[in-house]
Amino acid sequence: GAVVSQHPSWVICKSGTSVKIECRSLDFQATTMFWYRQFPKQSLMLMATSNEGSKATYEQGVEKDKFLINHASLTLSTLTVTSAHPEDSSFYICSARAVAGTGELFFGEGSRLTVL
Amino acid sequence: AQSVAQPEDQVNVAEGNPLTVKCTYSVSGNPYLFWYVQYPNRGLQFLLKYITGDNLVKGSYGFEAEFNKSQTSFHLKKPSALVSDSALYFCAVSADREPRTALIFGKGTTLSVSS
Repeated sequence: GAVVSQHPSWVICKSGTSVKIECRSLDFQATTMFWYRQFPKQSLMLMATSNEGSKATYEQGVEKDKFLINHASLTLSTLTVTSAHPEDSSFYICSARAVAGTGELFFGEGSRLTVL
Repeated sequence: AQSVAQPEDQVNVAEGNPLTVKCTYSVSGNPYLFWYVQYPNRGLQFLLKYITGDNLVKGSYGFEAEFNKSQTSFHLKKPSALVSDSALYFCAVSADREPRTALIFGKGTTLSVSS
């Protein structure tokens, strides 16, 4: 099946620094990727829709300047958490729907961000 | 707007017994429904989906789900639970199958299977 790779899987950083998380579709092209955030024992909250070659669409309440999303190619989207603070600590999951087929959503393994 | 409700935070069953994890949805138009499972500190694994066709959908690891349009439900079931089925289960819905449309997830239900 289709594979979505996410890197890094675990990152610890100091408060005030920026962290970049990559999401790659390894064997299919994804014009659209999605970024979710998950708090412990809670559901996945959609943060933004990443569109290849254009600006991301953010959900209400998500700070665009805090969570920078770039979708540079049909197989790569990046999420940069800028000037990270402890409250940004979370599990970030990316996903992509294959252009063809039944619309199944493929997920990365997630990236756990811990801000000290 | 589309939404998904998983009314149970936790479901406890004994190994070998049947299990049901409940899900109801709200969407305008035809729903596209999914079940995913998540193990600790891992991403989501796809279990099954309903797009169209038979209301009873069979998926991975012996799971199945029944689409009930009149009750707007899509409950996940398994005839005989295993301890290894213990995990967090998410129901999700999309209003269409377009690649640009995200899935909206329920809050999740923790399944605990005791030996």
